Amino acid sequence: GESVGLHLPTLSVQEGDNSIINCAYSNSASDYFIWYKQESGKGPQFIIDIRSNMDKRQGQRVTVLLNKTVKHLSLQIAATQPGDSAVYFCADFAPGRRALTFGSGTRLQVQP
Amino acid sequence: EPEVTQTPSHQVTQMGQEVILRCVPISNHLYFYWYRQILGQKVEFLVSFYNNEISEKSEIFDDQFSVERPDGSNFTLKIRSTKLEDSAMYFCASSLTGRNTEAFFGQGTRLTVV
Repeated sequence: GESVGLHLPTLSVQEGDNSIINCAYSNSASDYFIWYKQESGKGPQFIIDIRSNMDKRQGQRVTVLLNKTVKHLSLQIAATQPGDSAVYFCADFAPGRRALTFGSGTRLQVQP
Repeated sequence: EPEVTQTPSHQVTQMGQEVILRCVPISNHLYFYWYRQILGQKVEFLVSFYNNEISEKSEIFDDQFSVERPDGSNFTLKIRSTKLEDSAMYFCASSLTGRNTEAFFGQGTRLTVV
């Protein structure tokens, strides 16, 4: 039967393709955003961050785009590899808070 | 590379028992956090700790929970009387400045309450 709670949206891509993972945030005053990668049985691992005074930031094979108008964040992974298979979470700092608030996550499955 | 370490990796306890989850944050970090993740769900904030006191806590962090920094390196989460619904992965994290900077997470402690 179906397991309760395991309802993460899933993105399935072929190895070598580009992946785009999306996230909507709720607080228009949030000013710092992070993408974390979580592999099975492990803690969240930092991928890339972006501050609200930027629209785009690039890392190695990853790009984060921030659209403050619609409160949307995306993570682009170029040339996706099997090792990229994981759950990806966006997280942000709401104003006045010193702790991250995590989104609900997207599972990325890379098919060889 | 410095990392956050957590012990034990897995803890099984009987309902009603007390558990202490242990963490060693990164040595020069000033802000410490506990988060939990119920299986298949998102990571939820529990509590943040700075300058030897709680700086923020969520509604999950009720009177059954407490945190302590007993010495210069350890940071602990105590659950006084565990309930079945406390079963989850518990992650410790630390950051240098607490705001607008990344938090580094440990590998987690899987708590199973039976």
